[in-house]
Order: sequence, then C-alpha cells, then structure tokens
Amino acid sequence: QSALTQPASVSGSPGQSITISCTGTSSDVGSYNLVSWYQQHPGKAPKLMIYEVSKRPSGVSNRFSGSKSGNTASLTISGLQAEDEADYYCCSYAGSVIFGGGTKLTVL
Amino acid sequence: QVQLQESGPGLVKPSETLSLTCTVSGGSISSYYWSWIRQPAGKGLEWVGHIYSSGSTNYNPSLKSRVTMSVDTSKNQFSLKLSSVTAADTAVYYCARDVGVFDYWGQGTLVTVSS
Repeated sequence: QSALTQPASVSGSPGQSITISCTGTSSDVGSYNLVSWYQQHPGKAPKLMIYEVSKRPSGVSNRFSGSKSGNTASLTISGLQAEDEADYYCCSYAGSVIFGGGTKLTVL
Repeated sequence: QVQLQESGPGLVKPSETLSLTCTVSGGSISSYYWSWIRQPAGKGLEWVGHIYSSGSTNYNPSLKSRVTMSVDTSKNQFSLKLSSVTAADTAVYYCARDVGVFDYWGQGTLVTVSS
C-alpha cells in the first residue's frame, strides 16, 4: 500500500485561505469516509484536526474544514494565522492505515 | 484527560529487537484499540500496527513479519517489539489511542539503531 499523495509544501499570507489535497485510490480515500487530518508542529506529537472527512474535534478552530471528492480529500484553512505554520498529514483508515507524505505549510 | 507515555531503550543494535512500552493514564485501556506510529527524522508518519485491549492485533503489512504487540490491562500498558532492526527503523515512535482516528498521542520516543 502506497502513501497518500500530498503536495510537499503550500504557503499563504496571514488572513488568506489555503487548501491541501490528499489523493488516494478507490480502495482507500474513495471508498470510505474515514479520512482524518493531523497538524504537527516541530518536535511535537501530531494533533487531530479533522476526522471522518469533515468533522472537527472539540476545541479545533472552525477555520479548519475538510471535504472529499472521489479519491481526493482536502483540508482548507481559512483566515491563516502564524500559529497554523506546521506540517499537515492526511490519513485513511480503511482496513489498514495509510498516511499521506505530509505537507509543510508556511505562513508568509 | 487521557495521557500516554512511551518508554524503552533509546539505542538498539542492528539485528536486535526494539522493545517499547506505552503507559496509559487518566483512563482505562479496556475497550479501545491502541496504535504504534513511527516517524523517521524529517519524514512522514508510518502506522506500525494496533492492538485491542483483548489482545487482538493488526499490523502494517510491510512490517508484519517483524512486529509483535501485547497488552497488559492490569498495568494499563501495551507494548511493541520489532525484531531484526536495521538503521531504517531509526525513528521517533509514538503510541496513540486508536478510535478510527488517533485522538490521544504520547510525546514520542526516539529510537536509534546503531552499533
């Protein structure tokens, strides 16, 4: 099973919106709504930001949203803030667990 | 608040067995799946496998031949053993509660494979 495909990096200015894509196959992302997103700051453990494609855990800002179309899931961050600068990983939980390669978000 | 803490040797020799334990506090280990996830320096996350509190397991197919997980509900702990390690197994190893997503994580422990 191959890793899900994410762009290596994205960037945006404070206040702007960015979207990170996560492409899998019809056997994982395309078949199940068990797609989640994690934020990881340097030296820290990942933090759950989105689960089941578009649901936010308690305490996660509503600036974070998720969606899916076909075999591609997306994470959108609106109103970018400096503290959003981090690595972001998507994850498909479909029998086995597959992570994306990660996307480094830079807030300019 | 559930907390997880990894423990174990930070240095393992090539061809030997890596052994880590995760201690869960603030909640019971029962009735949940618990996962191990690793991350080589500067690279992405890789799921190693998970274990249910009853002891049933599911491992990453790429590591299955070398992985053994166990659980001790009396101590609220679960463990990972990875045999025949090489330098490619050098990584930060995280334990996490697995509810179809990973909602609680340990801080991670660096394991280096080197002679």
